[in-house]
Amino acid sequence: EIVLTQSPGTLSLSPGERATLSCRASQSVSSSYLAWYQQTPGQAPRLLIYDTSTRATGIPDRFSGSGSGTDFTLTISRLEPEDFAVYYCQQYGNSPPLTFGGGTKVDIK
Amino acid sequence: QVQLVDSGGGVVQPGRSLRLSCAASRFTFGIYGMHWVRQAPGKGLEWVAVIWYDGNKKYYADSVKGRFTISRDNSKDTLYLQMNGLRAEDTAVYYCARDRSSGCYGGFDHWGQGTLVTVSS
Repeated sequence: EIVLTQSPGTLSLSPGERATLSCRASQSVSSSYLAWYQQTPGQAPRLLIYDTSTRATGIPDRFSGSGSGTDFTLTISRLEPEDFAVYYCQQYGNSPPLTFGGGTKVDIK
Repeated sequence: QVQLVDSGGGVVQPGRSLRLSCAASRFTFGIYGMHWVRQAPGKGLEWVAVIWYDGNKKYYADSVKGRFTISRDNSKDTLYLQMNGLRAEDTAVYYCARDRSSGCYGGFDHWGQGTLVTVSS
């Protein structure tokens, strides 16, 4: 099973600032099959990025993903008020089980 | 647009059973892999199970293997999760989610609203 470790656990930033979230895998993620999700309180997660760097439908271009192998990054170029949420990475490239990281909370400084 | 509606949650005693349903609409259900994902109160996301588009492959998290069964009825556009031998640690909101692929290689592009399962005596 691939273990995903997200850091930091909490990121305190102001609107307009840049957010950089990290996701590290315990072994290489096959075919860069890594996704990022956003979850706000009381809501289901929303797919932001799949295949490491492809934005899902309707996701604004301030969200970008990068990385390969075991190290992946989600960047939010300029935080909007609606971006303060919890973010999860997920790998789906290797045989099941699929796994999620523990999450990074982006809160308002 | 795509709609997934989760139902069937509730309060159940340890050791008892529950069946969750996920009704799909506004897309061709039978060509997509489908998953169940759960989230314990205040915790992160945990993948539970996947079923291939035609029902021929199924995989489970170790934490539920042998107790939970995922299934689908493509004629009814519905996904199921049969949960037997429930434990307190199964308490969570359960979400169904659609895979972008016919199996489990695409990421989850649509999610149900979730249904709460509480296991307690």
